Amino acid sequence: DAGVIQSPRHEVTEMGQEVTLRCKPISGHDYLFWYRQTMMRGLELLIYFNNNVPIDDSGMPEDRFSAKMPNASFSTLKIQPSEPRDSAVYFCASSWRQETQYFGPGTRLLVL
Amino acid sequence: GNSVTQMEGPVTLSEEAFLTINCTYTATGYPSLFWYVQYPGEGLQLLLKATKADDKGSNKGFEATYRKETTSFHLEKGSVQVSDSAVYFCALSGTGGGFKTIFGAGTRLFVKA
Repeated sequence: DAGVIQSPRHEVTEMGQEVTLRCKPISGHDYLFWYRQTMMRGLELLIYFNNNVPIDDSGMPEDRFSAKMPNASFSTLKIQPSEPRDSAVYFCASSWRQETQYFGPGTRLLVL
Repeated sequence: GNSVTQMEGPVTLSEEAFLTINCTYTATGYPSLFWYVQYPGEGLQLLLKATKADDKGSNKGFEATYRKETTSFHLEKGSVQVSDSAVYFCALSGTGGGFKTIFGAGTRLFVKA
């Protein structure tokens, strides 16, 4: 199995631009999670899905952030417009029944 | 509510020293408990887990025992190596998706040669 796949691995953009992060979970997993990690705030859960349905988005910082999961093998996290304080590493993870989570390698986002 | 508390870092040890990273939890029901490790520049990966009281999880020389009476899941290793330098996260989740996974704040470990 290829594991959780995230793209891009690195993204540098300018303030105000739209950013789209992509994730392909492990086949057969029914949960998908989006996290953000910074030195100041640590690891934060942004949103998670069960069977493609968003269950808890209370961690999404504001309306500029949105996430979708159109099918079991693909999810996106979008930031529009982006701001410098959005700079962080964004992780996608998937699991079967909220047991062990398998993390992707992360997307390192820098907003200038 | 459910929560995980782990000791603050960083923890700095010399090679071959004994390691303990404390983790305590608050949860309803009978959660599964996990330790994840994050090496520099990588995502988190499972180190070990335990799914019921008195279970011991082990992997790569690390061990942790699920102690329901003290609501703890402390991570131990008898002899650390430089390659163990990483951030360690304690976590819990409800079995069968009963509640979302909760991660501790992470403890950074530095091992000196």
